[in-house]
Amino acid sequence: KAGVTQTPRYLIKTRGQQVTLSCSPISGHRSVSWYQQTPGQGLQFLFEYFSETQRNKGNFPGRFSGRQFSNSRSEMNVSTLELGDSALYLCASSQISGSGDNEQFFGPGTRLTVL
Amino acid sequence: GENVEQHPSTLSVQEGDSAVIKCTYSDSASNYFPWYKQELGKRPQLIIDIRSNVGEKKDQRIAVTLNKTAKHFSLHITETQPEDSAVYFCAASQDAGTYKYIFGTGTRLKVLA
Repeated sequence: KAGVTQTPRYLIKTRGQQVTLSCSPISGHRSVSWYQQTPGQGLQFLFEYFSETQRNKGNFPGRFSGRQFSNSRSEMNVSTLELGDSALYLCASSQISGSGDNEQFFGPGTRLTVL
Repeated sequence: GENVEQHPSTLSVQEGDSAVIKCTYSDSASNYFPWYKQELGKRPQLIIDIRSNVGEKKDQRIAVTLNKTAKHFSLHITETQPEDSAVYFCAASQDAGTYKYIFGTGTRLKVLA
């Protein structure tokens, strides 16, 4: 099976702009989670989607939003970009919901730079 | 709120020595604890995990121990090799139908040849 893919891999934006990142999970995986990775804060949970519904949300402002499509592909959007949004954005997919196999498989990430 | 503390932030060991990384979690409802390895420029990859009904789990040179009472869990790497050099992240989550992982801040392990 192909792994988790993310597009684009690199993005450069300026403050105030908005950006949309895309994640395609492993075939058959229905859960997609998003994380922000920065050198100082490590990996921070943004949100998780399952069957087109947001099941969990981390402590990020409303400028960060996401959605999931019927084919499990997911997008996240950041509006009114700030310098502090510069980070590596990782998505991860998982096969099933609930208890059992919890392993999340990560994508390569999208590196966002805000100037 | 939920929090996972990870120590040390950096760790240097001689090749062949053991390395230990420790994590403490705050949410007593957490019952699944994975460890991820992230090499430079690459995605995090699961190396071992443990559930709360088990106190220890081993996989070749890697082991994880869990003390639920103290809310501590640790990663042990024996006979370290240069290819073990990477950043290691611990995480905690609940099994209750969610994949919300709370990660530690990472440990940069350097294995010196």
